[in-house]
Amino acid sequence: GAVVSQHPSWVICKSGTSVKIECRSLDFQATTMFWYRQFPKQSLMLMATSNEGSKATYEQGVEKDKFLINHASLTLSTLTVTSAHPEDSSFYICRPDNPDFFHFGNGTRLTVT
Amino acid sequence: GDSVTQMEGPVTLSEEAFLTINCTYTATGYPSLFWYVQYPGEGLQLLLKATKADDKGSNKGFEATYRKETTSFHLEKGSVQVSDSAVYFCALSSGGTGRRALTFGSGTRLQVQP
Repeated sequence: GAVVSQHPSWVICKSGTSVKIECRSLDFQATTMFWYRQFPKQSLMLMATSNEGSKATYEQGVEKDKFLINHASLTLSTLTVTSAHPEDSSFYICRPDNPDFFHFGNGTRLTVT
Repeated sequence: GDSVTQMEGPVTLSEEAFLTINCTYTATGYPSLFWYVQYPGEGLQLLLKATKADDKGSNKGFEATYRKETTSFHLEKGSVQVSDSAVYFCALSSGGTGRRALTFGSGTRLQVQP
């Protein structure tokens, strides 16, 4: 079946550094990718929607300059957390937009020390 | 806007007990409804879904019926196992092409004791 590959699965970084998370749609082209964030013991909240070839749209309260999204091809979207701080420690997870596919990537657990 | 309301957890049951986790929603139009499960330390797994009224989604012994008249999608299982211990999320999608983002409920933690 269709697979979404998200990398890395977990990352630990120091405060002030940047981290890039990749999300690949392996079996179909995805012009749109959804990025979610989940804080410990909380639900998933939509952060932003990336669109191939155009700017991403961000949900209210999400800093676009901090969470850089690039959707350079129909199968790859990346989320870069810039100048990470401990409060950015969270579980980040992606899902391509497709009417017949509602599975997520395995997620990336980010810990900022 | 769209919203999903789930029952508060944790829900603690003994093995082989009957499970119900309530979920109600508010949405425009005719949303698709989903249940996801998240095991400790893992990502989200799609458990089941229903795309129109009166549809029943089922998987691994879990069932949920799309009730438009009560705007509900309650999750049920006849006999839970310890391995079912996890957090369960109800979600909906009401957008058309290019806007099939999911709105999630707060999640319900299920603890099954042997």
